[in-house]
Amino acid sequence: NAGVTQTPKFRVLKTGQSMTLLCAQDMNHEYMYWYRQDPGMGLRLIHYSVGEGTTAKGEVPDGYNVSRLKKQNFLLGLESAAPSQTSVYFCASSYFPSGRRKGETQYFGPGTRLLVL
Amino acid sequence: RKEVEQDPGPFNVPEGATVAFNCTYSNSASQSFFWYRQDCRKEPKLLMSVYSSGNEDGRFTAQLNRASQYISLLIRDSKLSDSATYLCVVNALRSGYALNFGKGTSLLVTP
Repeated sequence: NAGVTQTPKFRVLKTGQSMTLLCAQDMNHEYMYWYRQDPGMGLRLIHYSVGEGTTAKGEVPDGYNVSRLKKQNFLLGLESAAPSQTSVYFCASSYFPSGRRKGETQYFGPGTRLLVL
Repeated sequence: RKEVEQDPGPFNVPEGATVAFNCTYSNSASQSFFWYRQDCRKEPKLLMSVYSSGNEDGRFTAQLNRASQYISLLIRDSKLSDSATYLCVVNALRSGYALNFGKGTSLLVTP
C-alpha cells in the first residue's frame, strides 16, 4: 500500500495562476482532509470530505475549492493563486472501524510545498 | 483564543535527559487527544493517543487532565533521534472529526 500520496511535491506559481493539488489514498478511507501549515502556525483545516461526492468547508476555505468524485481522490484547487497561499499543504485520510475511537487514526501525505510569487 | 495552546520552545536538552511538554485545550467537550511528531519538512505522524487514565509507550508517557483541560507528554532518556517538533492535537468534534493542532513544541536533543 502506498498510503496517502500527494502530487506535486513542489510547485511555484505566479499570482493569478491556477493549479490543482491531488491527494490519493489506497486504504479505502471515507474521510479526507486538506490542511495548510504556515511558519509559526499549527495545521489549519481548509476543506474536508466525509465520503465520495461530499465536501465541506473547514477553518480557512477562502480561495480554495475541492472535489471528491472518487473515494480515493481528493482534489484541492486554487483558481487564482495569491502570495498568501504560499504554504505547505497536507492531505490526510482516516477511517472509523467499529469499536475504534473516532479520529484516532489519521494518515498524512508527504505534503506539497507551494510558492506563489 | 486558539483551541489548542502549546509552549513553542525550543527545548534544548542533553541526551539522557527527561523532558516534559504541556498543552491546554479550550473545548471541554473534546473527546480524543493525541501527540503527533513532525520532523523538519515532513508530514505529522501519530506518536501516541492520550487517554484519561494516562498511557505509556516505552520512554513516552502521556497524561490527560480533563478537569484542567491539560495534556502532557513526558520523554525519558532522550535520544538524539527524538529531536523533532511535537504537536498536541485534539479532535474538532465537527468538520468530519478533523483535528485541531497546536503550533508545536520544538525539541533538540544534543550529544
